[in-house]
Amino acid sequence: EPEVTQTPSHQVTQMGQEVILRCVPISNHLYFYWYRQILGQKVEFLVSFYNNEISEKSEIFDDQFSVERPDGSNFTLKIRSTKLEDSAMYFCASSERGGAISYEQYFGPGTRLTVT
Amino acid sequence: GEDVEQSLFLSVREGDSSVINCTYTDSSSTYLYWYKQEPGAGLQLLTYIFSNMDMKQDQRLTVLLNKKDKHLSLRIADTQTGDSAIYFCAVPSYNQGGKLIFGQGTELSVKP
Repeated sequence: EPEVTQTPSHQVTQMGQEVILRCVPISNHLYFYWYRQILGQKVEFLVSFYNNEISEKSEIFDDQFSVERPDGSNFTLKIRSTKLEDSAMYFCASSERGGAISYEQYFGPGTRLTVT
Repeated sequence: GEDVEQSLFLSVREGDSSVINCTYTDSSSTYLYWYKQEPGAGLQLLTYIFSNMDMKQDQRLTVLLNKKDKHLSLRIADTQTGDSAIYFCAVPSYNQGGKLIFGQGTELSVKP
């Protein structure tokens, strides 16, 4: 069964460093998402992406964050200068359809980011 | 603002039914979702219901939706120890970007 994959599973970085989290969405999916879950808190939406453009972003997704689909398979989240409060589990998701109707989103296993 | 609430813990005995409840404030009229998260794993899409339905049954899972009260529930029949996990309710935001709003998750503990 097709699944969303994410690498690495765990990333440790120092405050101020740049990190890139990678995701390979399900191959026929066209809509891509990033969410994060700080330990003990709710899963929070960061950004959605379709047709090489951001569809929606949350207030968390400030200028330090960017997303890219560098080729036909990968979808990346970059944090330019990490802060301690960026420590969280980051989930990538994809869906076959999207837009006005929120169709089923399939999630990857997550990347645990630890900022020291 | 948009919000989704769930109780944090539920403990049941193996073989009993489990009912996990969720309330939401606002949602676009589309699908509403239940996700399951096992320890150390990602979010697994468990089931969903379309907003024009009151009930959906899928093997041991029954989803009930009360749109008037903005209440969603997940019933697991004949709960097994393998059902122990955190269950998240997720509802779509009114915005058109596909954003899902998650509850804080209900940790289901199944005792033998």
